[in-house]
Amino acid sequence: EPEVTQTPSHQVTQMGQEVILRCVPISNHLYFYWYRQILGQKVEFLVSFYNNEISEKSEIFDDQFSVERPDGSNFTLKIRSTKLEDSAMYFCASAQGEQYFGPGTRLTVT
Amino acid sequence: GEDVEQSLFLSVREGDSSVINCTYTDSSSTYLYWYKQEPGAGLQLLTYIFSNMDMKQDQRLTVLLNKKDKHLSLRIADTQTGDSAIYFCAESYSGGGADGLTFGKGTHLIIQP
Repeated sequence: EPEVTQTPSHQVTQMGQEVILRCVPISNHLYFYWYRQILGQKVEFLVSFYNNEISEKSEIFDDQFSVERPDGSNFTLKIRSTKLEDSAMYFCASAQGEQYFGPGTRLTVT
Repeated sequence: GEDVEQSLFLSVREGDSSVINCTYTDSSSTYLYWYKQEPGAGLQLLTYIFSNMDMKQDQRLTVLLNKKDKHLSLRIADTQTGDSAIYFCAESYSGGGADGLTFGKGTHLIIQP
């Protein structure tokens, strides 16, 4: 059964550094999403992406964040100048109807 | 804004039915979902229901929707130890389109032997 994959599973970075989280969506899906879950809190929507552009974004998704589909298979989330409060689990999802989620990348900012 | 609320914990005996409840505030919610998260794993889509339906059954899972009260429930029949997980209720307007899902905080289902 096709699934969404994410790498790395765990990323540790120092405050102020840039990180890129990677996702491979399910191949025939057209919509892609990033969510985050701060420990003990709700899963929060960050951004959706369709037809090579951002479709919707939440107020969390500020200028610090960017997304890209650099080729036909990968979908990335870049966080510039990470802050301590960016520490969270980041989930990628893709959809052709219902949204299917990847296993997540745990980002720890020290 | 949109909000989805769930109780944080539910404890049931193995073999009993589990009923996990959820309330939402957005009356324009069209699609309502249940996701399961096992320790260290991602969010697994269990089932979903359109807002024009009252009930959906899928093997041991039954979803009930009361649109008037904005109340959604997930019933798991014959609960097994493998059902131990966090269950998230979520809603969206377009269902697979551009808008993201709004999630509840999740209900930890604890199975007693």
